[in-house]
Amino acid sequence: DTGVSQDPRHKITKRGQNVTFRCDPISEHNRLYWYRQTLGQGPEFLTYFQNEAQLEKSRLLSDRFSAERPKGSFSTLEIQRTEQGDSAMYLCASSLGGPDNEQFFGPGTRLTVL
Amino acid sequence: AQSVTQLDSHVSVSEGTPVLLRCNYSSSYSPSLFWYVQHPNKGLQLLLKYTSAATLVKGINGFEAEFKKSETSFHLTKPSAHMSDAAEYFCVVSPGGYQKVTFGTGTKLQVIP
Repeated sequence: DTGVSQDPRHKITKRGQNVTFRCDPISEHNRLYWYRQTLGQGPEFLTYFQNEAQLEKSRLLSDRFSAERPKGSFSTLEIQRTEQGDSAMYLCASSLGGPDNEQFFGPGTRLTVL
Repeated sequence: AQSVTQLDSHVSVSEGTPVLLRCNYSSSYSPSLFWYVQHPNKGLQLLLKYTSAATLVKGINGFEAEFKKSETSFHLTKPSAHMSDAAEYFCVVSPGGYQKVTFGTGTKLQVIP
């Protein structure tokens, strides 16, 4: 399967712990996006990369959040000192070219902070 | 800045009747507009997109949408609903360039047999 993959699919953690999620985009896609989706809401933009460069970050991405895409391929999203409000579905998407192009979404990582 | 408003959080139709999901947008630039669908426990999938070509856009599964600049709308329609259309639908605006995309809050479509 050459779609977008995310790992893990589910993560349960205790408040205060750090978590890291991984996203593997479609191999030739140069853009990679992270979103957060809570129940009853649409995906909210967190950040995106063009190749290895992080071009924009949302105000939602507090200093506890950090994302990397070190070689322009896979990306990681780390949340430090998790809070209950971080509980959500974290979605990754990739696209070829600019935001006018279709984004292909992964299945998401569901985070539950106890 | 851009925004997108989905006017109905829930829409219920009978199988075989038309579907109308409404979307209004605001953008400082000439936007691209998309509709994505999310089936339960499945990833988001593109239904169709408008990128300044034909104003009537046809997508997958019989859906289409019309871009109306004067009304700043991009409503999604389908002539005849099928049970498999039951899902959540998101309208998305992209102002282009290096600007981020913005999702609407979604419309849940229920199809009654």
